[in-house]
Amino acid sequence: QVELVESGGGVVQPGRSLRLSCAASGFTFRSYAMNWVRQAPGKGLEWVAFMSYDGRKEHYADSVKGRFTISRDNSNDTLYLQMNSLRVDDTAVYYCVRGFTEFGWFDPWGLGTLVTVSS
Amino acid sequence: EIVLTQSPDFQSVTPKERVIITCRASQSIGGSLHWYQQKPGQSPKLLMKYVSQSLSGDPSRFSGSGSGTDFTLTINGLEAEDVATYYCHQSSSLPYTFGQGTKLEIK
Repeated sequence: QVELVESGGGVVQPGRSLRLSCAASGFTFRSYAMNWVRQAPGKGLEWVAFMSYDGRKEHYADSVKGRFTISRDNSNDTLYLQMNSLRVDDTAVYYCVRGFTEFGWFDPWGLGTLVTVSS
Repeated sequence: EIVLTQSPDFQSVTPKERVIITCRASQSIGGSLHWYQQKPGQSPKLLMKYVSQSLSGDPSRFSGSGSGTDFTLTINGLEAEDVATYYCHQSSSLPYTFGQGTKLEIK
């Protein structure tokens, strides 16, 4: 079955960096767009970043533009999110989500990995 | 940025009750509107794509309608397993955005 498993979350101080990974299985990873979506504790969903199936297109939310970088390794079925200059308000569960084309729905969602930015 | 506004934010409902959740977009998004269900402690799950296309295997009590700026998710005959927070999502233009969520609880 289709599965997305995130890893790399943890506690980090403001201003530091963290890299999240998402291991995909059960589908042809290189054929699908991928996204990161986050959810702050007790809050709603916020889209963070998009990458096209071939890695040629990337889009970011204004809140992370210039600090976060999405990338993918289609030979290893893995999606990444490099997060630099982390801020306290980046604290959230980060979900790896498959996208149906650049302007379609999100399905499925991974279990998420918690990133806590705190001094 | 397209803002999605859901109503209500919270609703306490009795089993078998009909529930209607609305999602209003700040500008027209055509039919690029999707719904997700997030049960407590779980990841969101796609419930409805492109306004009204339900997923195979999902209960038929869920239905969606609307176009342009006004959309609804209807649950005909709420069951205990439907206790969750429901989010609408637009993929018409970047940045993709979500509604603030509608939390349903059983009375």
